[in-house]
Amino acid sequence: DTGVSQDPRHKITKRGQNVTFRCDPISEHNRLYWYRQTLGQGPEFLTYFQNEAQLEKSRLLSDRFSAERPKGSFSTLEIQRTEQGDSAMYLCASSLSAGGDEQFFGPGTRLTVL
Amino acid sequence: AQTVTQSQPEMSVQEAETVTLSCTYDTSENNYYLFWYKQPPSRQMILVIRQEAYKQQNATENRFSVNFQKAAKSFSLKISDSQLGDTAMYFCAFISPNDYKLSFGAGTTVTVRA
Repeated sequence: DTGVSQDPRHKITKRGQNVTFRCDPISEHNRLYWYRQTLGQGPEFLTYFQNEAQLEKSRLLSDRFSAERPKGSFSTLEIQRTEQGDSAMYLCASSLSAGGDEQFFGPGTRLTVL
Repeated sequence: AQTVTQSQPEMSVQEAETVTLSCTYDTSENNYYLFWYKQPPSRQMILVIRQEAYKQQNATENRFSVNFQKAAKSFSLKISDSQLGDTAMYFCAFISPNDYKLSFGAGTTVTVRA
């Protein structure tokens, strides 16, 4: 297994467009996380899946954001009607269990909204 | 909510020298986990070292070691014999045992000079 992968690595879009990102976790990991990282800052938690169930959504995740993890495998994060403030790096991570278990991060998708 | 503070935005160190990064956190919990993650330029974040709060012994991973002061809520990272490949942004992170979202500091950019 080559680790957590994310696609695309870069996305440039115009304000108002919809975008969708994909994350493929490490295959045996049933926990999946999305974080957002703005320039010069640490990642901030967005949402968490245990298998296919979305167990928590951060207040950062407005109603324009939706995430899914069908069949508990890959996950998608969709942003509708993008705004310039959505420009950031979107990181996906996965782990075997919660708490102190290591979260393995993907390379991220850098979104630029013009 | 837990807060993690990294007060050094940037650090520079000569190759083969030692550098220490500071991290403080705020929590009312007695048991938790602390991490240092490394994010090289344009590459994905990887775990450097992990500390369990109930273990008094400081964690060590090769050239990386921590100074965990539970009473002071301090968790510093020491990089010994710095190498050019250590150039990266370093994030301190906190998680409770039954939680799943990491709380990150703002990061410290470390530059190793040849």
